[in-house]
Amino acid sequence: AQKITQTQPGMFVQEKEAVTLDCTYDTSDPSYGLFWYKQPSSGEMIFLIYQGSYDQQNATEGRYSLNFQKARKSANLVISASQLGDSAMYFCAMREPTGANNLFFGTGTRLTVIP
Amino acid sequence: EAQVTQNPRYLITVTGKKLTVTCSQNMNHEYMSWYRQDPGLGLRQIYYSMNVEVTDKGDVPEGYKVSRKEKRNFPLILESPSPNQTSLYFCASSSPWQGTTGELFFGEGSRLTVL
Repeated sequence: AQKITQTQPGMFVQEKEAVTLDCTYDTSDPSYGLFWYKQPSSGEMIFLIYQGSYDQQNATEGRYSLNFQKARKSANLVISASQLGDSAMYFCAMREPTGANNLFFGTGTRLTVIP
Repeated sequence: EAQVTQNPRYLITVTGKKLTVTCSQNMNHEYMSWYRQDPGLGLRQIYYSMNVEVTDKGDVPEGYKVSRKEKRNFPLILESPSPNQTSLYFCASSSPWQGTTGELFFGEGSRLTVL
């Protein structure tokens, strides 16, 4: 079974608008971590934001925020005030407490920001 | 500068010709891992290592070998590459995640084509 599901293969957003990228996860463990990474066309993987399962508040990092809905097992990434440089592939990932720092990745969402 | 360095970045080879993709990190991280990225499949873990001389299989280990003789290096070995190993490969490292986000630091990727 898929541990991480990203149902939006592609998304478009107008420059300066906000956009939400969906991510749902599947785990029976109460302790886990959720990550979002950005992959621009140059190919590198850039860490954006992290949410721990016990964190009370939604994580925020600049224009990125994570809308964490534990009961729904969703961890959507919200990008505010989109910029052309936000055009990239975005991956949601989850870590379970196995002792190793293994991340399970979703299939990604390609975001295109339209001028 | 803290970084994970992979070599080669690009490689075209032929079926059956052994190759090694090197990975080195300068952050004194204990944990290292290899992923492959394929369109529509996201990133899938090949092997990981929690410390020197400690390695274990990820989700797609068939056709690959690894070794961890030194803390900083984690080479990926394809003993007899086949066309289905054509992919974008990422090496990643992190510190122990307990008490920290433990985000993975990724290398720039190695694009491998097997003819």
